[in-house]
Amino acid sequence: KQEVTQIPAALSVPEGENLVLNCSFTDSAIYNLQWFRQDPGKGLTSLLLIQSSQREQTSGRLNASLDKSSGRSTLYIAASQPGDSATYLCAVIGSSGGSNYKLTFGKGTLLTVNP
Amino acid sequence: GAVVSQHPSWVICKSGTSVKIECRSLDFQATTMFWYRQFPKQSLMLMATSNEGSKATYEQGVEKDKFLINHASLTLSTLTVTSAHPEDSSFYICSGDGTSLFNTQYFGPGTRLTVL
Repeated sequence: KQEVTQIPAALSVPEGENLVLNCSFTDSAIYNLQWFRQDPGKGLTSLLLIQSSQREQTSGRLNASLDKSSGRSTLYIAASQPGDSATYLCAVIGSSGGSNYKLTFGKGTLLTVNP
Repeated sequence: GAVVSQHPSWVICKSGTSVKIECRSLDFQATTMFWYRQFPKQSLMLMATSNEGSKATYEQGVEKDKFLINHASLTLSTLTVTSAHPEDSSFYICSGDGTSLFNTQYFGPGTRLTVL
């Protein structure tokens, strides 16, 4: 059974700081890995998707890396801003049997960027 | 593009009543839709996967008779929580499969259910 762990559970940083969020998963047989952002009481916003054959993806101030063999991914946020405050979720995409697939989520990292 | 809506966005009901939540893909056809549940400070847990026109596949531990899922069209799936109890209070989120090459799911904004 796939398990996804995110460290730290919560992080508070001053504005402008660079930071790294960590994600690990137990089963390396994944299709893709995806990072999401969730604001309080809201749905999910997809940030980056890394295919299993890729090592990293970049979008603006965000950079996500994937080391499939070791079961790890990191999300790097450069020059953090108060608007980045949210919960960041890591999810791995793997087979659920047959032709179906499923996302397995971590519990998330609650990020607070202080002005 | 790829917008998913949910209705209602929040609902409060009495214990023992049934509640229906709708999930619609507004600008794409979702052959597969997924229902998740999220308790406070917990991760999203997949409840079931539904393919249009067929029965839903439930995850282990999810009662299929309590959480009825109907996926009658390529743009609409419904989740009915039958005989709801306070422990069913949670945040329910649906997603639709965008049928891209990368197994991308597009998520709805969620429905907050509170059972008194």
